[in-house]
Amino acid sequence: DAGITQSPRHKVTETGTPVTLRCHQTENHRYMYWYRQDPGHGLRLIHYSYGVKDTDKGEVSDGYSVSRSKTEDFLLTLESATSSQTSVYFCAISELLAGGPMDTQYFGPGTRLTVL
Amino acid sequence: DAKTTQPNSMESNEEEPVHLPCNHSTISGTDYIHWYRQLPSQGPEYVIHGLTSNVNNRMASLAIAEDRKSSTLILHRATLRDAAVYYCIRGGGTSYGKLTFGQGTILTVHP
Repeated sequence: DAGITQSPRHKVTETGTPVTLRCHQTENHRYMYWYRQDPGHGLRLIHYSYGVKDTDKGEVSDGYSVSRSKTEDFLLTLESATSSQTSVYFCAISELLAGGPMDTQYFGPGTRLTVL
Repeated sequence: DAKTTQPNSMESNEEEPVHLPCNHSTISGTDYIHWYRQLPSQGPEYVIHGLTSNVNNRMASLAIAEDRKSSTLILHRATLRDAAVYYCIRGGGTSYGKLTFGQGTILTVHP
């Protein structure tokens, strides 16, 4: 199994509070992703990173920010959590090979976030 | 827009083969077909991918139609552990590995 951990695994917070989720990898993979999963929507990409300090928006980035100061860590921040951000959040990593196909993504165990 | 179409659910009996279909009629020439599955309460896991030729690995086989507008994931002998949501995803090497998940197919395996 790929070395991906997410913390915390569960969190309950109140509307308006800031929340930071951490994804940590031991694989030294260049690419990291944050997805959210909600019933009826499947997994949707929030933000992704293609290197240290290099990030870009995904499909549902509003209300989220990310940072990647080290290869191994990718942080997802909800500046002011809302109830609509209650979801399960998955981190993923991959190592895209130059000129090759989209490489396999390895997913973390997920963080269940509840915003009251 | 997931750009792939899969049945919402399928059922199988244990130790029987399972054929999971996927339509991707607007696929481009450089798009690969990837399959992931998600077991209950876990993150998705990679199953298989292919471009034009049929592919086999230890988990499954992937049969891609000659016109590439559809594909079929084949589980040769379903086990209870194969009960999961299966996602068919199209993507290419220029998309920074971004995966667009659809609703997937919920596979139920009966003992």
